[in-house]
Amino acid sequence: EAQVTQNPRYLITVTGKKLTVTCSQNMNHEYMSWYRQDPGLGLRQIYYSMNVEVTDKGDVPEGYKVSRKEKRNFPLILESPSPNQTSLYFCASSLHATSYEQYFGPGTRLTVT
Amino acid sequence: GDSVTQMEGPVTLSEEAFLTINCTYTATGYPSLFWYVQYPGEGLQLLLKATKADDKGSNKGFEATYRKETTSFHLEKGSVQVSDSAVYFCALSDLGNQFYFGTGTSLTVIP
Repeated sequence: EAQVTQNPRYLITVTGKKLTVTCSQNMNHEYMSWYRQDPGLGLRQIYYSMNVEVTDKGDVPEGYKVSRKEKRNFPLILESPSPNQTSLYFCASSLHATSYEQYFGPGTRLTVT
Repeated sequence: GDSVTQMEGPVTLSEEAFLTINCTYTATGYPSLFWYVQYPGEGLQLLLKATKADDKGSNKGFEATYRKETTSFHLEKGSVQVSDSAVYFCALSDLGNQFYFGTGTSLTVIP
């Protein structure tokens, strides 16, 4: 089954404790992206990747890191999480960028206390 | 920069009513436009898209037309069902390979 998986689905952590949210897709997609969803703000793009070893900042990259060492994986790293990073995070992938349909993962609910 | 402005919600309609959710955009060049739908507890799913001016995207009875002259991409459905209750997001992708989403419109359809 074609899908985007994220882990963990739920995470509660404390300020400053490094964490990684994994994202994997099995569709051989070139383009992958991370978003955060906040009430009243919709989805905002954090980082995206056009292909292996190619990553770029989206609208809200501060406090986040990403890497794309393999085509299928695109982990999101929070080196020192803060309470304002409490949010619902979605990973997405598409065959190519721009005009192609994005397939979204189920989301990761992160709470930073 | 690029942006999407979407009709505020929530919207509550009776079954079989006509639906319109307004979406306007600001972009340089010629973006691709999308409507995504999010059901409770799930990720977003593509509902329809249009990649150039005057294109009409359609799916499951929903339609939207890419209007360059009014920079709009309004979502319409002639007769909504209870199963259409969800949050709808308008989005654009630009030549810089970034995506911009609206704030979402929550739709509730009552029997």
